[in-house]
Amino acid sequence: DTGVSQDPRHKITKRGQNVTFRCDPISEHNRLYWYRQTLGQGPEFLTYFQNEAQLEKSRLLSDRFSAERPKGSFSTLEIQRTEQGDSAMYLCASSLAPPGAFFGQGTRLTVV
Amino acid sequence: AQKITQTQPGMFVQEKEAVTLDCTYDTSDPSYGLFWYKQPSSGEMIFLIYQGSYDQQNATEGRYSLNFQKARKSANLVISASQLGDSAMYFCAMRGEAGRRALTFGSGTRLQVQP
Repeated sequence: DTGVSQDPRHKITKRGQNVTFRCDPISEHNRLYWYRQTLGQGPEFLTYFQNEAQLEKSRLLSDRFSAERPKGSFSTLEIQRTEQGDSAMYLCASSLAPPGAFFGQGTRLTVV
Repeated sequence: AQKITQTQPGMFVQEKEAVTLDCTYDTSDPSYGLFWYKQPSSGEMIFLIYQGSYDQQNATEGRYSLNFQKARKSANLVISASQLGDSAMYFCAMRGEAGRRALTFGSGTRLQVQP
């Protein structure tokens, strides 16, 4: 499978716990994006990497959220001290150049 | 700030008929890009079609075409010869202001194709 891969697909966690999601982009893609999608809404941008550099962050990315792309390949998104409002689908996308980005199937997070 | 508006929460279409999904946008940027994505129940966002603000002709990709009316700030998606597999959520999106890479999405339209 040469598409964008996300792991895990589903995560249930207790409020206050930390969670980490992984995204493996399409191999030659140097651009990587994280989005969050809540039920009934379109995705909302969280952050953008070009190679290993994090070039753009949304104000939605509070200090409990951190994203890394250490070697310019895979990326991780960590949420510390999860809250019920963090329950959402977390989508990763990658691209080589404009225009379009290719999305993974997402990680669905449920905070109980 | 940019905004995408999709006013149709749900649409029904008969198999083999054409359907138009509406999208209007607002931006002050003279250069921008407009996108349509399909999201089936599996959750993956599938890129369908792109229109640049300076493109002279409407974009087409197979059964998908984008009816771009710049003066009206609309970018409607037309799906011809609907198939049962077209049943999904459809999102219109816009690329961020100059230098930004983020996409701004609308709230989506759920399309159901009926046999």
